Amino acid sequence: AQTVTQSQPEMSVQEAETVTLSCTYDTSENNYYLFWYKQPPSRQMILVIRQEAYKQQNATENRFSVNFQKAAKSFSLKISDSQLGDTAMYFCAFMKPGGANSKLTFGKGITLSVRP
Amino acid sequence: NAGVTQTPKFQVLKTGQSMTLQCAQDMNHEYMSWYRQDPGMGLRLIHYSVGAGITDQGEVPNGYNVSRSTTEDFPLRLLSAAPSQTSVYFCASSYRSAGNTIYFGEGSWLTVV
Repeated sequence: AQTVTQSQPEMSVQEAETVTLSCTYDTSENNYYLFWYKQPPSRQMILVIRQEAYKQQNATENRFSVNFQKAAKSFSLKISDSQLGDTAMYFCAFMKPGGANSKLTFGKGITLSVRP
Repeated sequence: NAGVTQTPKFQVLKTGQSMTLQCAQDMNHEYMSWYRQDPGMGLRLIHYSVGAGITDQGEVPNGYNVSRSTTEDFPLRLLSAAPSQTSVYFCASSYRSAGNTIYFGEGSWLTVV
């Protein structure tokens, strides 16, 4: 079974600064997908970024980028130029390809606060 | 385009009562699933379906039933509500191919007293 670990329960960052959220996972699979989801106070689950394990290039979406270290089983999210709207809970998630596509394994989440 | 629609958004139940959380998607997705979110626990998979007529258990299935009679609908039934089922429930759907974007509903807040 796969496990996803987010060891930092809370983080805080000053507006316009950069922050990195950590995530590690454990799997025996060689091919898989990793995700970061954002959950603002509205509780809506919003996909931030996705990484395919067979791609060595780190995924980037505007101010969001990942540092994917496959050998270390690490998948951190970097938020550049933090904005007040980035205040939310962030979840790291793992998906094994094949079988039930919707089967995500989530970490426990990290609460990010952006200070004005 | 409505996406994934969950009803009701809020519900209070008494212990022992039964109810159904409704989930519908209009994207013709093959896969649908239900998660629950508890404080400090992240989201955990309850049940999932890979297509109409096919369902399977996830990580925390006890106390819940599901069915998938159509591609669009995937209701979650609480058979005899317990306080431990107080949670926020999310329905999700996606296309079959691995790694496709998973779309979540807005969540249903359930309190069992």
